[in-house]
Amino acid sequence: AQKVTQAQTEISVVEKEDVTLDCVYETRDTTYYLFWYKQPPSGELVFLIRRNSFDEQNEISGRYSWNFQKSTSSFNFTITASQVVDSAVYFCALSPPNTGNQFYFGTGTSLTVIP
Amino acid sequence: EPEVTQTPSHQVTQMGQEVILRCVPISNHLYFYWYRQILGQKVEFLVSFYNNEISEKSEIFDDQFSVERPDGSNFTLKIRSTKLEDSAMYFCASSWTLNTGELFFGEGSRLTVL
Repeated sequence: AQKVTQAQTEISVVEKEDVTLDCVYETRDTTYYLFWYKQPPSGELVFLIRRNSFDEQNEISGRYSWNFQKSTSSFNFTITASQVVDSAVYFCALSPPNTGNQFYFGTGTSLTVIP
Repeated sequence: EPEVTQTPSHQVTQMGQEVILRCVPISNHLYFYWYRQILGQKVEFLVSFYNNEISEKSEIFDDQFSVERPDGSNFTLKIRSTKLEDSAMYFCASSWTLNTGELFFGEGSRLTVL
């Protein structure tokens, strides 16, 4: 079974604080892709990152960083020095192979950054 | 930068009416998808489409739903007789290949059924 769990439903932080959004996934496949998407209030899905299960190197992009731990089936997302514009719902997603690009999304974490 | 475009951005309809949501995938893509997000919930896969036929579909995609690629550019989702629970954001997506996770989402069409 494929499943993505985002246990944090809502998080509030004060601007400039760091925040980590957790993502835990379940799959029996040995190869797969993991993703993070941002959904601002306007509703569109904004692609943030794609990670191949073979690549366990952590990645940093500006204020964003991702920590992929295959041993614990986690793919956590950290925003450093948060800004008000980071306020959105963030979705983690899993795409196993041979499913025709079916994405399994988590339930999302709603992040509010307070000025 | 090429993008997936969807129309309308928001549609309000009465229960029982037929609705067609339209999508223009990225031009050289071969695989097309519809996903659905009920307000406040997660995004769920509905259907994938390739070579003018459905490749995969979820349990959500029942007989009231259909997809079509009527010409070389549009990809449509039809809901025959809308129900209140069809109110959701519908995302179209496209990809050049399968199983690489390179999916490009449109901005979504919000459907409200009254």
